Amino acid sequence: AQSVTQPDIHITVSEGASLELRCNYSYGATPYLFWYVQSPGQGLQLLLKYFSGDTLVQGIKGFEAEFKRSQSSFNLRKPSVHWSDAAEYFCAVGAGGFKTIFGAGTRLFVKA
Amino acid sequence: EPEVTQTPSHQVTQMGQEVILRCVPISNHLYFYWYRQILGQKVEFLVSFYNNEISEKSEIFDDQFSVERPDGSNFTLKIRSTKLEDSAMYFCASSGGGGGTGELFFGEGSRLTVL
Repeated sequence: AQSVTQPDIHITVSEGASLELRCNYSYGATPYLFWYVQSPGQGLQLLLKYFSGDTLVQGIKGFEAEFKRSQSSFNLRKPSVHWSDAAEYFCAVGAGGFKTIFGAGTRLFVKA
Repeated sequence: EPEVTQTPSHQVTQMGQEVILRCVPISNHLYFYWYRQILGQKVEFLVSFYNNEISEKSEIFDDQFSVERPDGSNFTLKIRSTKLEDSAMYFCASSGGGGGTGELFFGEGSRLTVL
C-alpha cells in the first residue's frame, strides 16, 4: 500500500540556518510527489511538486526538494530559514487513482 | 487569484445531529475532494468526486457521509448523524488535473466540533 513517512514530528532551527525536512514514500510505480505547507488556521498550500525529469525541483519561498529513487526519499530543503517559515510541512504522494496521500507532517519552529 | 472557499469556518453540533459543510471549488476545476484533519494528526483522504459521482473513497467515508454537487458551483459534505470522533477540521480541495497527479488547491477548512 502507498504510504508517506515523515520521521520528524517537529524540528527547531535558528533563523538564517539551513533546513532539511525528511520524507520517505512507499509506492510501486514512479510517484507524483508534493510538499505542502500549512500555516496556523490555514489550508494547505503547495510548495513544490515532482512528476518527472530533473530530480531537483524548485518551489516557492526559496524551497527545493530532491527526489532520490534509490532511497525512496523526497527531502525538502531551504538554505536560509526565515521566521515566517514556521509552519507545518506535509509531504504527499499522488498514489494514482483519485487520491493524494499525506504524511503526518513536520512542525517547524524557528528561533531568533 | 481564484481560491477554494468553505463555509462555515466553525460549526458546533450535538452528537447525532446532521451537519452539512459547504465548499465552492475553483470554477474551472473538475475534480473535487474532501480531506479531514483530526487535531494534531495527519491529513486524511475522505473522498474524491468527478463527473458528478464519487470516484474514490476511503474506509473513513462510511454510510454516514455523503457528498453532492447540487449546482454548478457548490460541493457539499453531509454527515448524517455526527459522532464525537467526527470532530476535526474538514478541508475541501479541487484540482484541474485528475487523481493523484494534480496540484490540490485547498480551502481554509471548516472546523467541526461535536459535543
